[in-house]
Amino acid sequence: NAGVMQNPRHLVRRRGQEARLRCSPMKGHSHVYWYRQLPEEGLKFMVYLQKENIIDESGMPKERFSAEFPKEGPSILRIQQVVRGDSAAYFCASSLQEGPQWEQYFGPGTRLTVT
Amino acid sequence: DAKTTQPNSMESNEEEPVHLPCNHSTISGTDYIHWYRQLPSQGPEYVIHGLTSNVNNRMASLAIAEDRKSSTLILHRATLRDAAVYYCILRPDSGAGSYQLTFGKGTKLSVIP
Repeated sequence: NAGVMQNPRHLVRRRGQEARLRCSPMKGHSHVYWYRQLPEEGLKFMVYLQKENIIDESGMPKERFSAEFPKEGPSILRIQQVVRGDSAAYFCASSLQEGPQWEQYFGPGTRLTVT
Repeated sequence: DAKTTQPNSMESNEEEPVHLPCNHSTISGTDYIHWYRQLPSQGPEYVIHGLTSNVNNRMASLAIAEDRKSSTLILHRATLRDAAVYYCILRPDSGAGSYQLTFGKGTKLSVIP
């Protein structure tokens, strides 16, 4: 079984450009989570999505960030007008079901560098 | 939400067992105990989880104290590939914490050849 896939693995953007990060969950998983890891910091929850629904986006910055998980295709984390502070590793995870009995499987991450 | 406390770092010799402790004295009766690890430059990796009873899987064992105020992740024979930061995470059975993983600082495990 293929694991969680993320692309691109590395992304360089100039300030003001847009960044699009893609995540394909494990086969059969309909629950997707995005986390961000700033340099020298721990991972922080950003958003939780199910197919076509945002369940919890409490960890996402209010402006410039958006996420979607369409009926078909990967989940997308979009960052508009990137700034240097957006430079981080962004990890996507998926699970078969919601709830503490279910483990989350993580992808390799996308490392965003804003120049 | 209940908090966890882990040592900042630990060392182990290769092929020796490793016991990674976690204190969670404010755990509630329905909190699951999860362990994840993150190897350098990689995404976190699920290791094991449990509720009350000890658990074993192909990667590790989880020993949970009878009062559930602490737990220990056991790697039976450390290899160089086990060098990582290990996170102990509590997950309640309802609310945002049931699906949000809250990563603390974890324990950085070094394995000496």
